[in-house]
Amino acid sequence: GENVEQHPSTLSVQEGDSAVIKCTYSDSASNYFPWYKQELGKRPQLIIDIRSNVGEKKDQRIAVTLNKTAKHFSLHITETQPEDSAVYFCAASNRGTSYGKLTFGQGTILTVHP
Amino acid sequence: ETGVTQSPTHLIKTRGQQVTLRCSSQSGHNTVSWYQQALGQGPQFIFQYYREEENGRGNFPPRFSGLQFPNYSSELNVNALELDDSALYLCASSSTGGRYEQYFGPGTRLTVT
Repeated sequence: GENVEQHPSTLSVQEGDSAVIKCTYSDSASNYFPWYKQELGKRPQLIIDIRSNVGEKKDQRIAVTLNKTAKHFSLHITETQPEDSAVYFCAASNRGTSYGKLTFGQGTILTVHP
Repeated sequence: ETGVTQSPTHLIKTRGQQVTLRCSSQSGHNTVSWYQQALGQGPQFIFQYYREEENGRGNFPPRFSGLQFPNYSSELNVNALELDDSALYLCASSSTGGRYEQYFGPGTRLTVT
């Protein structure tokens, strides 16, 4: 089955800096890669996603890149703010199968210092 | 915020007991997936229900079972609770068999003592 590795496990940055979180996946059939943000005690919130026919996607301060050959994808947050502090999870799934099971990485705790 | 709701918010059970958790999907969504999130870990897929039938299952034993109702709400049942079942249980709502974006509910925190 699919295996998703996520790095780093913790990331500390100063407000205004950029943050990058990287994930690798094992199943070459995976074709959908969402990113979730989970604040303490709250639900995972979908913040951005990318499909395998696209190499990069941006939404304001957030961007995701995908390298299908190397089987890795990354989340980039620019101009970080204290409210960006949370746990971030990457995930992968194969939308061509009969169901879209999400396989998650282990999470990255991002702390943005004012 | 999504329109996905879960109940109860918290639950404490004793080892060996049975528990039922509930999820109401977002309007327009016909698919519910259940995930278990242990402390400090990413969510793990338990199973998915699409049009009232189980549509895929992760590596969880048969004592984890579910139902989906005609209004697309869903239940997760766990029998013979074990200490390791203590976790946050999340449901995710989506359309068309989960092949599109999945939106999570707030979760049910289950503690087994």
